[in-house]
Amino acid sequence: GENVEQHPSTLSVQEGDSAVIKCTYSDSASNYFPWYKQELGKRPQLIIDIRSNVGEKKDQRIAVTLNKTAKHFSLHITETQPEDSAVYFCAAAKPIHGSSNTGKLIFGQGTTLQVKP
Amino acid sequence: SAVISQKPSRDICQRGTSLTIQCQVDSQVTMMFWYRQQPGQSLTLIATANQGSEATYESGFVIDKFPISRPNLTFSTLTVSNMSPEDSSIYLCSAGTGNEQFFGPGTRLTVL
Repeated sequence: GENVEQHPSTLSVQEGDSAVIKCTYSDSASNYFPWYKQELGKRPQLIIDIRSNVGEKKDQRIAVTLNKTAKHFSLHITETQPEDSAVYFCAAAKPIHGSSNTGKLIFGQGTTLQVKP
Repeated sequence: SAVISQKPSRDICQRGTSLTIQCQVDSQVTMMFWYRQQPGQSLTLIATANQGSEATYESGFVIDKFPISRPNLTFSTLTVSNMSPEDSSIYLCSAGTGNEQFFGPGTRLTVL
């Protein structure tokens, strides 16, 4: 089955610096790669996602890149702010057989990002 | 995006008992999933709740321990049966249509 590896497990940056979190996946059939942000005691929140037919996607200070050949994808946060401090999870999913819908998500281990003021 | 609620938000239970967690979505969704998240850990998929058929369980999870119902396109339940302290965790449901999946607030379960 699918396996998702995420690095680093912890990341500390100064406010205003950039942060990069990397994930690799094992199943070449995976075609959907979301990123979730989870603040302490809260539910995971979808912050950005990318499909396998796209190499890069950007939303304000957040961007995700995908390298299908190498089977890895990354989250980039620029101009980090203290409110970016949280745990970030990457995930991968395959399409449901016979459907255009995405199936179950397999999550990476998570990265705890600390942005120091 | 789908708005998802869960009940109860937390519970403290005695070992050997069972707890049923409810998940309600504000719109019809194709897929519903149940996850477990232990403190400081990632999310582990328990099962996919299929409407009109039995749930599909992941390796390490069985129907007798975690029976799931999915009576319609907006609702699902997860029961944690014959609980032990090792079942203490946060249980989250998620739902999605198409690609995006959204999570409920979670149920924090403590088993004494």
